Amino acid sequence: QVQLVESGGGVVQPRTSLRLSCVASGITLSNHGIHWVRQAPGKGLEWVALMSPDESKTYYADSVKGRFSVSRDNSKNTAYVQMNGLTTEDTAVYYCASTGLREDDSLDLWGPGTMVTVSS
Amino acid sequence: SYVLTQPPSVSVAPGRTARITCVGNNIEDKGVHWYQQKPGQAPLLVMYYDSDRPSEIPERFSGSNSGDTATLTISRVEAGDEADYYCQVWDGDSGHHVFGSGTKVTVL
Repeated sequence: QVQLVESGGGVVQPRTSLRLSCVASGITLSNHGIHWVRQAPGKGLEWVALMSPDESKTYYADSVKGRFSVSRDNSKNTAYVQMNGLTTEDTAVYYCASTGLREDDSLDLWGPGTMVTVSS
Repeated sequence: SYVLTQPPSVSVAPGRTARITCVGNNIEDKGVHWYQQKPGQAPLLVMYYDSDRPSEIPERFSGSNSGDTATLTISRVEAGDEADYYCQVWDGDSGHHVFGSGTKVTVL
């Protein structure tokens, strides 16, 4: 079964860090770009970051640049987003999604998401 | 930064046609993707590169893109089409992907 599954969410305090994982099954992650997209409670989708298939290019939304970092471990078929300096504004469901070889390709396959709550 | 504007809501009777617009500056120069999101679920790609439809999406869904407006059209609307719909593009100038604000489709 082709799927992505995120994990690592939880309740954390402001100014702390968290790392989310995105495990792929049925697809080889190294052949795909990986997006991270988030959705605050009751709000719309917000794009967060993109890593190209060969890891040579990474792109970040202005709201997370300098605080979030994406990476992957091809041996584990897993992508990560390291989130530092979390604020209450980062509270959201975080989705990973696979994409093609081009930056403008669509987000084809989405995981179910993992909830991150930043609260004191 | 590039902005995509969608109407907050669209209401349509069963069997009729729903049209969801996505307005952006010269959006016809970009590839527009559309996603459907039902409550409590992850988004689902329903249209890519303006008018290409994934194989699992019904033919009732179609897309177009001209000038400053991209449109997702749902023909013969069914109750199961009730969801939030988002358009999305890649803004090469900023290196950012951008989502529209989303449109809630209500089937009357």
